[in-house]
Amino acid sequence: EVQVVESGGGLVQPGGSLRLSCAASGFMFNNYWMTWVRQAPGKGLEWVANIKKDGSEKYYVDSVKGRFTISRDNAKNSLYLEMNSLRAEDTAVYFCARSHYGDNVWGQGTTVTVSS
Amino acid sequence: QTVVTQEPSFSVSPGGTVTLTCGLTSGSVYTTYYPAWYQQTPGQAPRTLIYNTNIRSSGVPDRFSGSMLGSKAALTITGAQADDESDYYCGMLFMDDGKWVFGGGTKLTVL
Repeated sequence: EVQVVESGGGLVQPGGSLRLSCAASGFMFNNYWMTWVRQAPGKGLEWVANIKKDGSEKYYVDSVKGRFTISRDNAKNSLYLEMNSLRAEDTAVYFCARSHYGDNVWGQGTTVTVSS
Repeated sequence: QTVVTQEPSFSVSPGGTVTLTCGLTSGSVYTTYYPAWYQQTPGQAPRTLIYNTNIRSSGVPDRFSGSMLGSKAALTITGAQADDESDYYCGMLFMDDGKWVFGGGTKLTVL
């Protein structure tokens, strides 16, 4: 079964850091782009970042550029999102997704709350 | 900055047909933007319905279909059922800068 499972969410103070992980199984991880999408409470979906199959290309939404870093370890079938200088507006459920021109396989999400 | 537009809400009668659209604040939607459609019920992860304009994702029933309608991408639900009541999001890929953008979503009511 194709599956992605996020972990690493939690409560963090403004200005703090957090590292999200996404464990993939059931498919050839290094054959797919991977994506992070978030959803703030009561709001719509927002694409955050994506990364090419071999990690050579990375793209970010403007609001997280310079603060978030997407990475992957193809040997461990894992995707990561390093989040620094967190702000209240980063509070959201963060979804990991296997991507193929929009044909996303989604995880259940991990919740990040930025609050003092 | 390009904004993806969707109807905020729509309603359909059980058994009826509804078409949701996805446009841009400036310019037309092209198939090279790989428009995709996602369904989400409250508290759940999104589910991919349609990708690359009109290809159904695995396991999606054929009463969901994607197309281009003039300058917009469209999702048509034929024979609407009660459990189709969800939020529907479209997303597009802007390859020049490698970014996906989602629309604000359409809340579909079946009544």
